[in-house]
Amino acid sequence: DIQMTQSPSSLSASVGDRVTITCRASQSISNYFNWYQQKPGKAPNLLIYAASTLQSGVPSRFSGSGSGTDFTLTISSLQPDDFATYYCQQSYTTPPTFGGGTKVEIK
Amino acid sequence: EVQLLESGGGLVQPGGSLRLSCAASGFRFSNYAMNWVRQAPGKGLEWVSGLSGSGGATYYADSVRGRFTISRDNSKNTLYLQMNSLSAEDTAVYYCAKGQCSGTPCYNLDSWGQGTLVTVSS
Repeated sequence: DIQMTQSPSSLSASVGDRVTITCRASQSISNYFNWYQQKPGKAPNLLIYAASTLQSGVPSRFSGSGSGTDFTLTISSLQPDDFATYYCQQSYTTPPTFGGGTKVEIK
Repeated sequence: EVQLLESGGGLVQPGGSLRLSCAASGFRFSNYAMNWVRQAPGKGLEWVSGLSGSGGATYYADSVRGRFTISRDNSKNTLYLQMNSLSAEDTAVYYCAKGQCSGTPCYNLDSWGQGTLVTVSS
């Protein structure tokens, strides 16, 4: 199975901060890569697919980049609604695998 | 608007069985791959199983292969997960999730249900 390693596992940030989360795949996955946001007690929500394509309805302050094994999620200006846990996922092969999550907390 | 509504979760004894359902609406159900993803309490996401729009192709995580069976009834717009030989390690919230694409496998999960809790305990 492809291992997805996210970092950091948690971070504290303030409203307005630029936040970057990284994810590394254990082998090359091209751009078969997605980011999800999950709030407590809620289902995950697809933010970005194909590494850099914003899902419909997702604010433009979210962006994704990367290809191969290294990927990044950037929130350009953190908003109160963005405090959540973020998961990366490879969709390159079965089984699809998720990173361990990054919890973004209020500083 | 896409809606996915899971049901069938609950408390079951180790070794027992349970069948989860996911009622879908707001899209042409038969055109899309569907998946089950679970999340143990306080833990991350784990993909469990997926199947094609026709139901002809199925995929399983090693942790559930041989115990779980995914299926769908396109006439009822419903996805199922039959779970047998359950153990404490299967305790989790189970989400059904729609694949973004029609082909399979499809693991861009663009819509999720609210989840149903399965607790395996004596």
